[in-house]
Amino acid sequence: AQSVAQPEDQVNVAEGNPLTVKCTYSVSGNPYLFWYVQYPNRGLQFLLKYITGDNLVKGSYGFEAEFNKSQTSFHLKKPSALVSDSALYFCAVRDGAAGNKLTFGGGTRVLVKP
Amino acid sequence: DGGITQSPKYLFRKEGQNVTLSCEQNLNHDAMYWYRQDPGQGLRLIYYSQIVNDFQKGDIAEGYSVSREKKESFPLTVTSAQKNPTAFYLCASNTGTAPRGTEAFFGQGTRLTVV
Repeated sequence: AQSVAQPEDQVNVAEGNPLTVKCTYSVSGNPYLFWYVQYPNRGLQFLLKYITGDNLVKGSYGFEAEFNKSQTSFHLKKPSALVSDSALYFCAVRDGAAGNKLTFGGGTRVLVKP
Repeated sequence: DGGITQSPKYLFRKEGQNVTLSCEQNLNHDAMYWYRQDPGQGLRLIYYSQIVNDFQKGDIAEGYSVSREKKESFPLTVTSAQKNPTAFYLCASNTGTAPRGTEAFFGQGTRLTVV
């Protein structure tokens, strides 16, 4: 069965500092990996995805993520965090060998302080 | 504008009532999903459908039912058998099995409260 883990419930960072949100996954086939952001009482917005190719993926709003197959990780990063980046972030995986089911991690709340 | 529309935004249910949450998409997507989100928690998959007239149970299907009679519509019924239905419900869609790498698009959610 496929699964995703986000080990940190909350990440606190000062504005202007680098931001990292951690994600590890488990699949039996090739992974398709996604990051989403959620603002209060809203749906999820897509940030970026890894399908194949370069391990460093660039996405919306200055975010990027690094795929590491040996560590089964897909950490989200931003070089310089903004207060407006404060939100709930979700990592998700689809197993290329297991149909179309999309599984989400538990989410990480990011708080960027001015 | 293309997208996913969920309605209503807020819904109140009395004990013992069935309620139906609407989800409509005009993205021509084959696959549609329903997730439940509890406060401060992640998303749990209730049901998903990869094609019209077909759907599969997710991880927490008990007390819920769905139908997929049209490609653009995937309504979710919360039945009286669901003992703790108060939650935020999210509908999503994507192109389905081809290609598998496409991201899912989400509606704005329905907040269901039992009164």
